[in-house]
Amino acid sequence: QLQLQESGPGLVKPSETLSLTCTVSGGSISSSSYYWGWIRQPPGKGLEWIGSIYYSGSTYYNPSLKSRVTISVDTSKNQFSLKLSSVTAADTAVYYCARRYLAAAVNWGQGTLVTVSS
Amino acid sequence: QSVLTQPPSASGTPGQRVTISCSGSSSNIGSNTVNWYQQLPGTAPKLLIYSNNQRPSGVPDRFSGSKSGTSASLAISGLQSEDEADYYCAAWDDSLNGHVVFGGGTKLTVL
Repeated sequence: QLQLQESGPGLVKPSETLSLTCTVSGGSISSSSYYWGWIRQPPGKGLEWIGSIYYSGSTYYNPSLKSRVTISVDTSKNQFSLKLSSVTAADTAVYYCARRYLAAAVNWGQGTLVTVSS
Repeated sequence: QSVLTQPPSASGTPGQRVTISCSGSSSNIGSNTVNWYQQLPGTAPKLLIYSNNQRPSGVPDRFSGSKSGTSASLAISGLQSEDEADYYCAAWDDSLNGHVVFGGGTKLTVL
């Protein structure tokens, strides 16, 4: 059964770069037809798609975040990663990683809370 | 401000049928399929409906989806207390090189 697990610092200082990794188990990140993505949810608010990546490296980013986001993939480790630069308090959220088929996030990680604060 | 528009809240009594609407535009719902997610309190969202009206394995047939033009709907029949959750619609948006857009979410209360 496919599982996704987010990992990374739970606290990031303003203006710094948020870095998270998603480890995939129970399946290969190199599977065709699937994209791997990041979604976030600020406390008490709705979902926001950050972006996604194919195992070959092709990416799609949310235009509102594109200038600050980088998503990369490491097929040797079965992992993909998120970097969000120049963070502010508005980037405080639960960050989820997910496997995307067509436009649907079929499998989700449990999520990790990242707080931006000095 | 979400790209897709949902009512912030909905409610119903056990056994009742409730619907949640999702309105978009020609660049998203009008030209792509709609997916629905259920988020129970304190948990990660779960895919409930994909490709407008398809249920993943394990999702009860009480849940159904439909799409017409630039709008979509999620219907829940035989409402149960465990259906109390937040529901989100989502779709691919063809603008600006393409990306996924979500609705703002609808909190469903079972009275």
